[in-house]
Amino acid sequence: KNQVEQSPQSLIILEGKNCTLQCNYTVSPFSNLRWYKQDTGRGPVSLTIMTFSENTKSNGRYTATLDADTKQSSLHITASQLSDSASYICVGREKLNTGNQFYFGTGTSLTVIP
Amino acid sequence: DAGITQSPRHKVTETGTPVTLRCHQTENHRYMYWYRQDPGHGLRLIHYSYGVKDTDKGEVSDGYSVSRSKTEDFLLTLESATSSQTSVYFCAIGGPSDQPQHFGDGTRLSIL
Repeated sequence: KNQVEQSPQSLIILEGKNCTLQCNYTVSPFSNLRWYKQDTGRGPVSLTIMTFSENTKSNGRYTATLDADTKQSSLHITASQLSDSASYICVGREKLNTGNQFYFGTGTSLTVIP
Repeated sequence: DAGITQSPRHKVTETGTPVTLRCHQTENHRYMYWYRQDPGHGLRLIHYSYGVKDTDKGEVSDGYSVSRSKTEDFLLTLESATSSQTSVYFCAIGGPSDQPQHFGDGTRLSIL
């Protein structure tokens, strides 16, 4: 069964600190893995997309890694800011040319405190 | 930001009434999706469309219908709303490809 699991469920860190969010996926055949940021009351916004052949991708202070062998991904946030407080969602995409190919994790809720 | 507008943004209604949510895009994208988001669940696909008048069911389609008569508009209808359909509904465009999906800001629907 295709699925995506994220940990931790929630996390509180001090402003300026780094943190790492985890995502384990079992999606086959695998196409790519996405990280989204969802602010409270808003829709998810794409941070990164990583295909099978990519193992690191950065977007500013966000760096995603992908290990296709262990089927794990992580999202590292450097020098956190208050605006990083949000839910971070990991999404695995199955290699199909249809619309029902995305598998969403339940998200990690990050709170950055001053 | 991708041009996606959902309406209404908030709605409260009673059990048994029909409800229609609208998603409007200005990106001329072929694919559009309706998801619902509930605590403890990831986003779950209700229905999606891959072109005008071309739609298909997602994993939680029971109790919902959709229509797409124009590229830019995708409507989600609850024929007879139930309390279990209280949720936040998101429209998205994009995919299937290595490009990201773009999401609207959601409709918060409460059914009493």
